[in-house]
Amino acid sequence: QQQVKQSPQSLIVQKGGISIINCAYENTAFDYFPWYQQFPGKGPALLIAIRPDVSEKKEGRFTISFNKSAKQFSLHIMDSQPGDSATYFCAATSGSSGSRLTFGEGTQLTVNP
Amino acid sequence: EPEVTQTPSHQVTQMGQEVILRCVPISNHLYFYWYRQILGQKVEFLVSFYNNEISEKSEIFDDQFSVERPDGSNFTLKIRSTKLEDSAMYFCASSVDRGLSGAFFGQGTRLTVV
Repeated sequence: QQQVKQSPQSLIVQKGGISIINCAYENTAFDYFPWYQQFPGKGPALLIAIRPDVSEKKEGRFTISFNKSAKQFSLHIMDSQPGDSATYFCAATSGSSGSRLTFGEGTQLTVNP
Repeated sequence: EPEVTQTPSHQVTQMGQEVILRCVPISNHLYFYWYRQILGQKVEFLVSFYNNEISEKSEIFDDQFSVERPDGSNFTLKIRSTKLEDSAMYFCASSVDRGLSGAFFGQGTRLTVV
């Protein structure tokens, strides 16, 4: 019940296209859903996050869509750029869980020029 | 911009040896964490630390592991007797609250057990 399922495992997009990564969770106690971006050899960097009381959050080219009833959330990267090529992890946590982050399996995004 | 710093960046150790991984969290953060990432896999929670004590630990964090905040700035992870399967990237993270405004990760320490 603590798992977060992420898909796809890898994604190739052309420059200027839209990248979409999906995650699903089971634990209804989760109340904070961040996305992390990780470049090779680096630590995960917080990209954008959402709470379940809103259905969408947008920051620049990055948008999280959240469907509480379906227990799913997704990251959309608009106008994808080669510099966006990285591994993206969704995660979830709750205030009652001791704040541990439960990560998805990761999506390796490649944006071709 | 404040950041979490970790040392060393790479540590090679022999099986059975003790290692200490060091971290300096962001200065006004109160919650500290260790995570690990085996090559090509997802990031896994090890332990969280608040108010000078462990607040939560995972099943991975067995008696071989310990954490300490020896002074006002450092946060350490000790592995008492390393095993081959401890080889991974270890990430320290910190957050200002119970993670509900984001946890910030360091660059990681790559631990190789030979």
